[in-house]
Amino acid sequence: GAVVSQHPSRVICKSGTSVKIECRSLDFQATTMFWYRQFPKQSLMLMATSNEGSKATYEQGVEKDKFLINHASLTLSTLTVTSAHPEDSSFYICSAREGFLSEAFFGQGTRLTVV
Amino acid sequence: SQKIEQNSEALNIQEGKTATLTCNYTNYSPAYLQWYRQDPGRGPVFLLLIRENEKEKRKERLKVTFDTTLKQSLFHITASQPADSATYLCALFTSGTYKYIFGTGTRLKVLA
Repeated sequence: GAVVSQHPSRVICKSGTSVKIECRSLDFQATTMFWYRQFPKQSLMLMATSNEGSKATYEQGVEKDKFLINHASLTLSTLTVTSAHPEDSSFYICSAREGFLSEAFFGQGTRLTVV
Repeated sequence: SQKIEQNSEALNIQEGKTATLTCNYTNYSPAYLQWYRQDPGRGPVFLLLIRENEKEKRKERLKVTFDTTLKQSLFHITASQPADSATYLCALFTSGTYKYIFGTGTRLKVLA
């Protein structure tokens, strides 16, 4: 299957700082990328959908000024958690797909801990 | 309300048996459905995709069925092995909303 690389896999940051997470599609062009958050023993919660060159579409309840998403190229999307708080600590996962009816492939996930 | 349910939170089976996992949905009209495997602390790994006009898909020891009348997908692992132990997620893609909706997941444990 196609490869989606997410970096970093783990990050610890101090409250009030910002953290950037990168998601790259390595062997295909991702017209759409998705960002999810997952709490322990729960399913994936969609945060936002981004199409290359367009503004991201955020799900209800997700603060767009806090979770900045950029999808500047067909192989790279970034999620920046701004002014991080301990309650932002979670497992963040990106996924990408090439076309509208294509499979979605996931990155390895990023464990964010805010202290 | 719209819901996706996977049959049980946890499923234990003996090595060599066939594991059958269920994904039921209500009030969706999915264009296709995907099954993923997720190990602890890792992102989901894509396994199979089945479209609304397909009844069955196979890949090695895996088989997926899709019944749009019953609003159900079944995921089978034949000749199960301890290495198959993981959480399995189903995800619907709905053309109305253009996004994936994930089920709650089933934790499968294959006992040696």
